[in-house]
This record gives sequence, C-alpha cells and structure tokens, in this order.
Amino acid sequence: EADIYQTPRYLVIGTGKKITLECSQTMGHDKMYWYQQDPGMELHLIHYSYGVNSTEKGDLSSESTVSRIRTEHFPLTLESARPSHTSQYLCASSERGTAGNEQFFGPGTRLTVL
Amino acid sequence: AQKVTQAQTEISVVEKEDVTLDCVYETRDTTYYLFWYKQPPSGELVFLIRRNSFDEQNEISGRYSWNFQKSTSSFNFTITASQVVDSAVYFCALTLYNFNKFYFGSGTKLNVKP
Repeated sequence: EADIYQTPRYLVIGTGKKITLECSQTMGHDKMYWYQQDPGMELHLIHYSYGVNSTEKGDLSSESTVSRIRTEHFPLTLESARPSHTSQYLCASSERGTAGNEQFFGPGTRLTVL
Repeated sequence: AQKVTQAQTEISVVEKEDVTLDCVYETRDTTYYLFWYKQPPSGELVFLIRRNSFDEQNEISGRYSWNFQKSTSSFNFTITASQVVDSAVYFCALTLYNFNKFYFGSGTKLNVKP
C-alpha cells in the first residue's frame, strides 16, 4: 500500500489568500508530481520533481509554485488564490529508475476559492 | 507527440454485465509503458496494471482482463461480471522509457447499477 499523504483534504478559502498544499511520502521516492483535476475529468500535470532541489513546470500553466527541500516533502503554494484555482489537486510519487515505474497517488486536496 | 484517447466518456451497465473500456494511444517511440488506474468517488487514483511495449501478452486478474494490441495501438480493459463497487472513473496512461511524465487519457466513468 502506498504511503503518500496530502493535507488538507478539503479547503475553502477567500480570494487573495496565500495557501500551501502539503504532500509527503514515506517511500523514499525521488520523483514527485502535482496534478490538477476537475472532478472526474482529465489530469493535468502542473509541476514535477526528480529529486531534492529539482523542480520543473508541467504541461498546464499554473500560478502555483513548488519546492523540494527534502525527499519526502513536495509542497505546492498559491500566493494569491482566485476562484479559477478551484479544483482538486493530486500529488503522486514514483521510484527512481526507468519510466515504467507506476505513480502512487495521494488522496487529493479539494480546493474551493470563494 | 504522445496522446492517449479514451473515447467513451461514460458507460452505464447493470450488475453482472461485462464491460470493456477502450484506450487508444499515440507515440512514435518503440519503448513505452501503458497503465490503467481506477479513481473511485473518494478521489484517490489506484494503480491497476502496467504493460511495456514489448509484452503483448494479455493479462487476467480475477474479473479484470487487459488486451494490448500494438497493431491497433490499443490497450483495452474488460471487467467481467461487473459489480457496483466497480463504479469509478478509469484512466489509461502512457509514459515513455527514460521519461518521467505520464500522459493520461480523459477518463471513462463507469456506472454499475444494481
């Protein structure tokens, strides 16, 4: 069973607030990912990391930022939340090595910006 | 460019019926991996299966079976004798060898009615 955690699970905030979505994994995986997903819809990669101090932007333009100071931790920050940021955010991780390793997903954070 | 197409947006079946979810992929690479994930209403994506491009052997796991055909670039998923607990959104995904990003299809929502 995958050990990847996301907090909070649900968040309702007002426009203009700064928020950080937490993601941690205890599997020692080097690769971590953030996806944005509207309910039941396609996943869009917004950030990924190959390891500590490595971060890259994904395919979907996002106003969020990420950091990777520790292997196990990959937080996502929105400096000023807007209603257009309302979505589900999924964190995932996978082992180093060939790309054939599956990604393990966290339970997601459902964000609503009023 | 890589692409995964799941043409069936939503399927409804009655319990105990068999159902096949279609997945068609595009890539010019010869080495790649295909995946199926299940996303129940709780939101977390659950890994179901991985296939590499050199292994066209079909696989069966309980009520689940997968048909990989390189000639038609398809990786279809069949659930035999469906159950209500199979209700979820199912995603097909592609990744390339030595590459870290997953390309997800848009998902197929399966409704299994009692």
